[in-house]
Amino acid sequence: EPEVTQTPSHQVTQMGQEVILRCVPISNHLYFYWYRQILGQKVEFLVSFYNNEISEKSEIFDDQFSVERPDGSNFTLKIRSTKLEDSAMYFCASTRLRDSSYNSPLHFGNGTRLTVT
Amino acid sequence: KQEVTQIPAALSVPEGENLVLNCSFTDSAIYNLQWFRQDPGKGLTSLLLIQSSQREQTSGRLNASLDKSSGRSTLYIAASQPGDSATYLCAVRPNSGNTPLVFGKGTRLSVIA
Repeated sequence: EPEVTQTPSHQVTQMGQEVILRCVPISNHLYFYWYRQILGQKVEFLVSFYNNEISEKSEIFDDQFSVERPDGSNFTLKIRSTKLEDSAMYFCASTRLRDSSYNSPLHFGNGTRLTVT
Repeated sequence: KQEVTQIPAALSVPEGENLVLNCSFTDSAIYNLQWFRQDPGKGLTSLLLIQSSQREQTSGRLNASLDKSSGRSTLYIAASQPGDSATYLCAVRPNSGNTPLVFGKGTRLSVIA
């Protein structure tokens, strides 16, 4: 079964450095998302993306964050200047349909654990 | 603002038991509800998705029900196995379209052999 793949699985970076988290959504999916989960907390929405532009973003997704679909397969999340509080598991997700249904639920990758020191 | 609550936070049962996980949401105007499984350090695996017009969905030993008017969903796991040990997350999609999911904090299930 097709999967959403994320790289790297674990990224350690120093405060103030830029990081790029990479995702390859399922090939026929059109809607892409980033969520994050701080240790012990709920999964939180960051941003949704469709047709090469942001559809919606949360208050977490400030000017330090950006997303890009540089080619037909990759979907990236960039954090320009990382802070300690950016340490979390970052999940990429995708779905085929605008209105996810039982035929097209939201599929998540295994996540990238970002540790900012 | 939609809030999703899951009770209990943790549950430990002996192998073979049937069990129910609960999810409640504050705003009944949802588009759909999805149950996920999360293994430690791993991503989220979609288990079942229920549209707002549906009452339940079944997959193998799993059955999810939805009572939209009362803001509740349950995930029923029959004949639990040690391999079912994981955190189970409930998430609602508030509106149609590309709106983000709102997650509960999850129920951590341990099935003891």
